Amino acid sequence: DTAVSQTPKYLVTQMGNDKSIKCEQNLGHDTMYWYKQDSKKFLKIMFSYNNKELIINETVPNRFSPKSPDKAHLNLHINSLELGDSAVYFCASSRLGREYEQYFGPGTRLTVT
Amino acid sequence: GNSVTQMEGPVTLSEEAFLTINCTYTATGYPSLFWYVQYPGEGLQLLLKATKADDKGSNKGFEATYRKETTSFHLEKGSVQVSDSAVYFCALSSQTSYDKVIFGPGTSLSVIP
Repeated sequence: DTAVSQTPKYLVTQMGNDKSIKCEQNLGHDTMYWYKQDSKKFLKIMFSYNNKELIINETVPNRFSPKSPDKAHLNLHINSLELGDSAVYFCASSRLGREYEQYFGPGTRLTVT
Repeated sequence: GNSVTQMEGPVTLSEEAFLTINCTYTATGYPSLFWYVQYPGEGLQLLLKATKADDKGSNKGFEATYRKETTSFHLEKGSVQVSDSAVYFCALSSQTSYDKVIFGPGTSLSVIP
């Protein structure tokens, strides 16, 4: 029944490792997003995909790469993890034409040690 | 560019107190304005919206009026409850920002019994 789900919920890893976060939505939405929320709760958009096509690609290190195998999934791969990547990452989705009404997943707390 | 500014938190109120969280924006054109809420450990949820000047958005006892003359969209609630404790994000969306949602920095609210 979960509308937007993310796995894992918590991810603890060491610097230099490569990790992935998965996101799935069962709402039939056309657009999916990745956001990064820092320790002060500031929310920054990273990417958005519409029907598997990259629409928004904000200034993020190219160690971050989104991959959308189909309309319902948008995964985030992170290479060579750094301490500064520690944050909560949120996946979201929206219907075409209603990009303001975004449905967020529960978040993945990434801790890089 | 477009941006959103909110009053700094944290805000601490006693139950049944009146709540105001200030929000002002900078945007070209005619943006739509939103309030999102993030409960502890969860993703953001759309709380209310207003799409044109003088519109009032309302939901769950919260209200906000789109004031173009003061470029503001302040969130109010007449009587807060402990369950309203959360982080509140003011946001805007406009065609000049390619419809992506721009979030303010968030204001943390704690309501004590």
